[in-house]
Amino acid sequence: EVQLLESGGGLVQPGGSLRLSCAASGFTFSNSAMSWVRQAPGKGLEWVSGISSGSSDTPYADSVKGRFTISRDNSKNTVYLQMNSLRAEDTAIYYCAKKESGAAPFDYWGQGTLVTVSS
Amino acid sequence: EIVMTQSPATLSVSPGERATLSCRASHSVNSNLAWYQQKPGQGPRLLIYGASARATGIPARFSGSGSGTEFTLTISSLQSEDFAVYFCQQYKNWPPSTFGQGTKVELK
Repeated sequence: EVQLLESGGGLVQPGGSLRLSCAASGFTFSNSAMSWVRQAPGKGLEWVSGISSGSSDTPYADSVKGRFTISRDNSKNTVYLQMNSLRAEDTAIYYCAKKESGAAPFDYWGQGTLVTVSS
Repeated sequence: EIVMTQSPATLSVSPGERATLSCRASHSVNSNLAWYQQKPGQGPRLLIYGASARATGIPARFSGSGSGTEFTLTISSLQSEDFAVYFCQQYKNWPPSTFGQGTKVELK
């Protein structure tokens, strides 16, 4: 059974930093691309960042470029999202999602972790 | 960036009725279109990919159609567990992958 378990969310002040983790199991993690997708309270889904299976490709949404960094550790079956210079508009539930390489949908999602940016 | 537009925003349906949800892309995405279901407090679940293929374990009452810029998700006979929010997503041109704003299917 595929499982994706996010952690690391919480309350942080504007300008602060947070590191999210997503622990994966039930599939060959090293063969799968991963992404982070967020959902602001009561809003729709916004893709944030992705990482290829071998970490060579790491695209970002314009809204987070230069502030967020995605990475992965295939030995630990974990993907990370380092979030710096956080803003109020980054407040959202952050989901990690799995996809196959190339043009493919997100076939499995985690339950999400809530990030609240507020003073 | 390809903009995805869903309609209606809310659909009121009685159990056993048919529900039809629409999704329009600002540019052609060929058949690179997925549908997701999201229930409160949960992450999205993949229902349909390739515009019309059901994902693993998805009941046959869910069907998808369309190509290019116009797509439809049909739930043939709504069950109580189908009341949820549904999102479409294009994955032809990414990054970024883009989602519609969602359609809430609620009890009439």
